[in-house]
Amino acid sequence: DGGITQSPKYLFRKEGQNVTLSCEQNLNHDAMYWYRQDPGQGLRLIYYSQIVNDFQKGDIAEGYSVSREKKESFPLTVTSAQKNPTAFYLCASTPAGVPSIYEQYFGPGTRLTVT
Amino acid sequence: AQTVTQSQPEMSVQEAETVTLSCTYDTSESDYYLFWYKQPPSRQMILVIRQEAYKQQNATENRFSVNFQKAAKSFSLKISDSQLGDAAMYFCAYSGSGSEKLVFGKGTKLTVNP
Repeated sequence: DGGITQSPKYLFRKEGQNVTLSCEQNLNHDAMYWYRQDPGQGLRLIYYSQIVNDFQKGDIAEGYSVSREKKESFPLTVTSAQKNPTAFYLCASTPAGVPSIYEQYFGPGTRLTVT
Repeated sequence: AQTVTQSQPEMSVQEAETVTLSCTYDTSESDYYLFWYKQPPSRQMILVIRQEAYKQQNATENRFSVNFQKAAKSFSLKISDSQLGDAAMYFCAYSGSGSEKLVFGKGTKLTVNP
């Protein structure tokens, strides 16, 4: 079955450590996105990528980094510079980077807790 | 910048009844798209319904329909014959035509009472 996988489902880290969240899709989609979800805040865009080896900052990119070396993979690194990293992180993809036309498909998410 | 406002943090409905979730948005664009996404307790986001701004006809998907008022910049979701499985967070989202991004509202938590 085609879809998006995010691993792990729950992730725990100590403050000051970088951590990388995995996002893999086998939908052959060109565009991929990372969102952060906090209670009462909706979804906020961290980074997005429309093509391999290219990505753009979203609305809350500070303290995060990404790479897009393969079409199917878009890992997100939460660095120690992120002030409040504890959150639920969602990865999404679309056939092309025009969400007005194409539905965004979401992964199951990763809950990151930093103490 | 475009903004999406969902003024009802929480709503509840009796099973089999009808409920309407509100959404307003702010934009200066004339061509855009609006969405309702559902996030059940599993937290898997699912597209419920989509509306193109240039279409006057309100979108409908089975028990889900929208009331799109372009002049008022309002986009409400009506759920008819509510079922227990409809219990979820519902997010309204906006995307300008050709835009690379979706802008989400803060969500409405819907509870369905048996």
